[in-house]
Amino acid sequence: NAGVTQTPKFRVLKTGQSMTLLCAQDMNHEYMYWYRQDPGMGLRLIHYSVGEGTTAKGEVPDGYNVSRLKKQNFLLGLESAAPSQTSVYFCASSSYPSTGYYTEAFFGQGTRLTVV
Amino acid sequence: EDKVVQSPLSLVVHEGDTVTLNCSYEVTNFRSLLWYKQEKKAPTFLFMLTSSGIEKKSGRLSSILDKKELFSILNITATQTGDSAIYLCYISNFGNEKLTFGTGTRLTIIP
Repeated sequence: NAGVTQTPKFRVLKTGQSMTLLCAQDMNHEYMYWYRQDPGMGLRLIHYSVGEGTTAKGEVPDGYNVSRLKKQNFLLGLESAAPSQTSVYFCASSSYPSTGYYTEAFFGQGTRLTVV
Repeated sequence: EDKVVQSPLSLVVHEGDTVTLNCSYEVTNFRSLLWYKQEKKAPTFLFMLTSSGIEKKSGRLSSILDKKELFSILNITATQTGDSAIYLCYISNFGNEKLTFGTGTRLTIIP
């Protein structure tokens, strides 16, 4: 079972470069999330999606864009990378909550991004 | 605005001690509170709590939720060095699927 897969696992960017992080899940989950985690800190939500074709802003959305063209994929884009975006990025997915049923979020293994 | 606060932010104890971590929240339409353990990579699921007063237990770890006072505690007894990690709680609420995380508690167990 693959679960949630993030690519790439590591990346070094120069300031001003762009890149896209891919999150793929094979559990047919409706909800998907992108978080960043800075050293010694908890997770902060960047953007999230409650279904194919929909996205919404989280706590720290500036400098990032996302797309959810297919249910299984959630892309996080950095148009013009800045050193402040150096972080570890986690993707997560969870199932659609129906009455009396809810599953925990499943996480990818993270992408370590360094912007120099 | 939804808020989830964990305390303490950092805790250092000796192996064998018992620790209690706290997660307090202010959210609308609360559905569940979840605890995760994060070591070097992705967080791993520990407990999900939806009802007040019902303790969830797994080995040396246990957790309970108080929906009246709006907090949860995570207890770890007879701590081991392998318990060193960041412990995260997050809240899921109806109608808003943001999955708001707390700040995390960094637990360090000294041999």
